[in-house]
Amino acid sequence: AQSVAQPEDQVNVAEGNPLTVKCTYSVSGNPYLFWYVQYPNRGLQFLLKYITGDNLVKGSYGFEAEFNKSQTSFHLKKPSALVSDSALYFCAVNSVSSASKIIFGSGTRLSIRP
Amino acid sequence: DGGITQSPKYLFRKEGQNVTLSCEQNLNHDAMYWYRQDPGQGLRLIYYSQIVNDFQKGDIAEGYSVSREKKESFPLTVTSAQKNPTAFYLCASRDRATAYNSPLHFGNGTRLTVT
Repeated sequence: AQSVAQPEDQVNVAEGNPLTVKCTYSVSGNPYLFWYVQYPNRGLQFLLKYITGDNLVKGSYGFEAEFNKSQTSFHLKKPSALVSDSALYFCAVNSVSSASKIIFGSGTRLSIRP
Repeated sequence: DGGITQSPKYLFRKEGQNVTLSCEQNLNHDAMYWYRQDPGQGLRLIYYSQIVNDFQKGDIAEGYSVSREKKESFPLTVTSAQKNPTAFYLCASRDRATAYNSPLHFGNGTRLTVT
């Protein structure tokens, strides 16, 4: 069965410091991996995706993510956090074996203190 | 601007009443999805539709029903059989169900409170 794990409910970082939000996945076949961000009482916004190729993918708002096949991980990173990055972040996976179902992690709340 | 519109933003109902949540998209997408969001549980798939007049149950379909009579519309009915309907409901779409490398586009959600 497919699954996505976000092991941290909350991540706290000081503004200007690097941040990492962790994600691991389990899927049959090649994974298609996504990160989304959600602000309060809003829908999810797409940040970036990994399909194939370079293991480091860049996305919106200065975020990037590193795909590691051996560790089945897709951690979200940013070199220098902003207070405005504070939000709820979701990792998601899709694959041919899962057909039309996209599986989401439980979310990680990122809090950036000034 | 293309996008997904969910209405209403907030909805209050008495227990035992059915309620329908609206989802309209003008992105010309074939595939549409309904998710339920509860604190600490992420998003759980209720129903999805790959094309007009077709839909499949997701992981938590009990107590819900949908229709897909038009490409742009995918309403969700929360019936009185749903034991715990209070939640934040999100509608999403993408161009094709088999476009595995395409991200979902989301509406801004409907917060349903049942008392």
